[in-house]
Amino acid sequence: LAKTTQPISMDSYEGQEVNITCSHNNIATNDYITWYQQFPSQGPRFIIQGYKTKVTNEVASLFIPADRKSSTLSLPRVSLSDTAVYYCLVVGVGYSGAGSYQLTFGKGTKLSVIP
Amino acid sequence: DGGITQSPKYLFRKEGQNVTLSCEQNLNHDAMYWYRQDPGQGLRLIYYSQIVNDFQKGDIAEGYSVSREKKESFPLTVTSAQKNPTAFYLCASSIISDRGELFFGEGSRLTVL
Repeated sequence: LAKTTQPISMDSYEGQEVNITCSHNNIATNDYITWYQQFPSQGPRFIIQGYKTKVTNEVASLFIPADRKSSTLSLPRVSLSDTAVYYCLVVGVGYSGAGSYQLTFGKGTKLSVIP
Repeated sequence: DGGITQSPKYLFRKEGQNVTLSCEQNLNHDAMYWYRQDPGQGLRLIYYSQIVNDFQKGDIAEGYSVSREKKESFPLTVTSAQKNPTAFYLCASSIISDRGELFFGEGSRLTVL
């Protein structure tokens, strides 16, 4: 079962691009990589999901190399409102009938955006 | 609007009392989940349910109980057996698939006095 590792915290100035990398060395063939954002005292919110190469939406981009052992969430030109905790999850086949492991959130990466 | 509603948002309880947290969803999702979050920590899974009248223990089920009598509802009871119940509780739902996008409620903050 794939376990993820992320930096505990990151700082960035407003207007910069932020890249948060997640390691998942044991990712399985059918696993998807999913990122969530959480503001204080709120529930996490889905940001983006991908399987391989690059995925882009209106909020972020997700880069996944060919070996899929890591992924990078890219937030373009961050603002103060992007200050939050970002979680990387690996979700795979067996999700619907398996135990809780694939649904476990780590401590995430606390991003602080500085004016 | 479709979504997940948790209540109450804030709750205070005396030691030794049971308390039930409500979670209702109108997204027509089959799966529902309860997580616990402590300050500065990630989310830990308490219980989850993929179908009515069935549920499974997560990583930290001791001292908690749930029921799933209706598809829309998944209440969590924090019993007096839970030794450290003060925490932020989050309910989520999803369709059952291999992608598992979770939709979360706004959370319930329980404080034991």
